[in-house]
Amino acid sequence: EAGVAQSPRYKIIEKRQSVAFWCNPISGHATLYWYQQILGQGPKLLIQFQNNGVVDDSQLPKDRFSAERLKGVDSTLKIQPAKLEDSAVYLCASSSPRGTLTTNEKLFFGSGTQLSVL
Amino acid sequence: TQLLEQSPQFLSIQEGENLTVYCNSSSVFSSLQWYRQEPGEGPVLLVTVVTGGEVKKLKRLTFQFGDARKDSSLHITAAQPGDTGLYLCVRRRNAGGTSYGKLTFGQGTILTVHP
Repeated sequence: EAGVAQSPRYKIIEKRQSVAFWCNPISGHATLYWYQQILGQGPKLLIQFQNNGVVDDSQLPKDRFSAERLKGVDSTLKIQPAKLEDSAVYLCASSSPRGTLTTNEKLFFGSGTQLSVL
Repeated sequence: TQLLEQSPQFLSIQEGENLTVYCNSSSVFSSLQWYRQEPGEGPVLLVTVVTGGEVKKLKRLTFQFGDARKDSSLHITAAQPGDTGLYLCVRRRNAGGTSYGKLTFGQGTILTVHP
């Protein structure tokens, strides 16, 4: 079974530039998450999709971050313009093969995109 | 804010030693998961605990859920270099109705096992 695919693996940009990350979840997974992980810390949820609808974006800095999940499959996360403090690993995860979340739902993570903002 | 406190934050030990990491909250968990994240990779689920007092074993790893479901521990026996990584506890709010089961991650314990 193919896992969660993310690209690019690494990205280096200068502050005020734009950047986009792509995620292809496990086939059939209805729920897709984007997390931001600062080095040595736990992941912080940015946005959660259920199919192609947003169910939680309370921690997404909407003045500069945007995300979409057209057709309820692939997703892109964009930062425009980037700031130094955006340097982090951006993780995509998927879950819910049956389309509804349960208490014991297992998340499957991609390997992440490591972003460095100079 | 329902926070998860993990301790210790860092742990550096020699191969063969035993260790325990802790995850605590002031709120009751509906369920708790432990993930391990190796450098350059995403977290991978180790275990889910649901029932207060529950103990689960995964080879040399023993997971315990507190009776009151407010805390959990992970004990590793005879640690090996392959156990090196970031250990994360994750709580999930009850799913159902309009709730989509929001996850809260602890800040993690960075474990280094030296050969």
